[in-house]
Amino acid sequence: DSGVTQTPKHLITATGQRVTLRCSPRSGDLSVYWYQQSLDQGLQFLIQYYNGEERAKGNILERFSAQQFPDLHSELNLSSLELGDSALYFCASSPPVLRTDTQYFGPGTRLTVL
Amino acid sequence: SQQGEEDPQALSIQEGENATMNCSYKTSINNLQWYRQNSGRGLVHLILIRSNEREKHSGRLRVTLDTSKKSSSLLITASRAADTASYFCATDAGYIPTFGRGTSLIVHP
Repeated sequence: DSGVTQTPKHLITATGQRVTLRCSPRSGDLSVYWYQQSLDQGLQFLIQYYNGEERAKGNILERFSAQQFPDLHSELNLSSLELGDSALYFCASSPPVLRTDTQYFGPGTRLTVL
Repeated sequence: SQQGEEDPQALSIQEGENATMNCSYKTSINNLQWYRQNSGRGLVHLILIRSNEREKHSGRLRVTLDTSKKSSSLLITASRAADTASYFCATDAGYIPTFGRGTSLIVHP
């Protein structure tokens, strides 16, 4: 158990819908990362937050947005869902260091868009 | 394209054999990490090697780093069926972590 929690575990929804994925980092970790993992694209970095502020942005679509709240939990919002958004979404957290360091991954949310 | 690329894509061995996976990357790094992922589960951190280190050990794992060739290797000695998983290398480019597509390792009992 990494100490990172993600809810829900599974999500099945229809095209055009909007969903929210939630992540709670390990106690003491200030950084939260979001990743998308699909069979054809591999593990893609989406976005990172550090202590409530956006720190780095990867291949995140405009239909997707995220935020980190004062209690350090984070939410990833996916809207206008398409079939191709079906994937595993992982959240990871890392200790408060300046550069990328060891990340602790949550169990993931499996999103299926029908 | 991916910063880190693992090779081979898939590896199938017998229990007790050694497994070697390679990772190549393109730009300068501060550190390189290896992670393991069991099917459909979250990634688990295995080992981190910094750019000024050449070799690191952790149990049955041995990681090497050659910054002149921009490559790293992960060796798992005396493999076990429980080592069956996908293995990813991750490099940093500033604050952005970049993962390769992974090597799928199958260890047959």
